[in-house]
Amino acid sequence: ETGVTQTPRHLVMGMTNKKSLKCEQHLGHNAMYWYKQSAKKPLELMFVYSLEERVENNSVPSRFSPECPNSSHLFLHLHTLQPEDSALYLCASSQEQGREKLFFGSGTQLSVL
Amino acid sequence: GESVGLHLPTLSVQEGDNSIINCAYSNSASDYFIWYKQESGKGPQFIIDIRSNMDKRQGQRVTVLLNKTVKHLSLQIAATQPGDSAVYFCAETVLNAGKSTFGDGTTLTVKP
Repeated sequence: ETGVTQTPRHLVMGMTNKKSLKCEQHLGHNAMYWYKQSAKKPLELMFVYSLEERVENNSVPSRFSPECPNSSHLFLHLHTLQPEDSALYLCASSQEQGREKLFFGSGTQLSVL
Repeated sequence: GESVGLHLPTLSVQEGDNSIINCAYSNSASDYFIWYKQESGKGPQFIIDIRSNMDKRQGQRVTVLLNKTVKHLSLQIAATQPGDSAVYFCAETVLNAGKSTFGDGTTLTVKP
């Protein structure tokens, strides 16, 4: 166990659905991240939160909306997704933003039909 | 079971052999490097890291080598075991900027 828990593990949704991914870290870290992992591509950073403030948004479409209500929880709200958004979505945390190793959850495997 | 210098998307080795996984990084300003291991159905997990003021660091059965001149990073795994089968990623970080970039992964398969 890495101390980072993601739910659900698998999600199938239609293009008109609204769903949310949840991440919780039990490590007392100050920074949390959303990454997208597609087949044959490197990990893509989507969003970074440091001390509950969004510090990075890597040109992610507005159909992805992050929320960080406190330093232990991170959500990714999904709305009107496209089939090309199907991927593994990974949450990670670190003690300090951008300067330390990341602790990853097991991810949510998302399929958009 | 070695491939010195060249990044390969896949690597197959015999159990008990040594493995070398390579990574070419892109930013000469990067000063912190990490290797992660990702097993099937799991997220990436930290293996070992190295800062740019070092050229070698050893862990348990793993060694990371850093060659800043050619911007090359390698991960050596001694006496490779079936449990080492996974995808391995390198990540480079510019500490002052707090920015990390992941490289392409290498899928390591260990044959019994």
